[in-house]
Amino acid sequence: DAKTTQPPSMDCAEGRAANLPCNHSTISGNEYVYWYRQIHSQGPQYIIHGLKNNETNEMASLIITEDRKSSTLILPHATLRDTAVYYCIVRGNDYKLSFGAGTTVTVRA
Amino acid sequence: EPEVTQTPSHQVTQMGQEVILRCVPISNHLYFYWYRQILGQKVEFLVSFYNNEISEKSEIFDDQFSVERPDGSNFTLKIRSTKLEDSAMYFCASSETGRDIQYFGAGTRLSVL
Repeated sequence: DAKTTQPPSMDCAEGRAANLPCNHSTISGNEYVYWYRQIHSQGPQYIIHGLKNNETNEMASLIITEDRKSSTLILPHATLRDTAVYYCIVRGNDYKLSFGAGTTVTVRA
Repeated sequence: EPEVTQTPSHQVTQMGQEVILRCVPISNHLYFYWYRQILGQKVEFLVSFYNNEISEKSEIFDDQFSVERPDGSNFTLKIRSTKLEDSAMYFCASSETGRDIQYFGAGTRLSVL
């Protein structure tokens, strides 16, 4: 699976949109981009995933660049409960999810 | 909403003892996984399981580990002879298919003394 690069940390103001970047420049055509988050050592929580089109669900939006080398997870209105570690994962034909260090997002009141 | 449940939430054991961690996957899911997370480190894949067979395993999943689906609902991870370095959070996950979204349980904290 392709490697991903994420900033180690970022802050966000409560009520504002949080934009989380991820680089995956070696992604190949059949690999999906998945986003999970982990709140304080709880089990990872699925957020969203996509192949090449932008995706939106009740939790977030995923914007994937046309060349698929990077993506952005958008939390439209961050709340204090969104404070977590966010993982961008590229997944191909493997069964496993390969977690990196992720981005620690702190939402401040 | 269906969820993956894990028991116990915290297991304390002595070094060299056997432990069994239990998971009840989401009922219509066919693929099951174990991951672990040592304190302060990344979530690491251990093993995936389908149709009563291991479909993929990592280097971490050595001979001291085994998995089993003893009945129609439970999925277990056994560590035969625990070591201090086995202390970690262990997460179970399940998915409908092998390429589908994996849903995780809340984890079992294993403390080896």
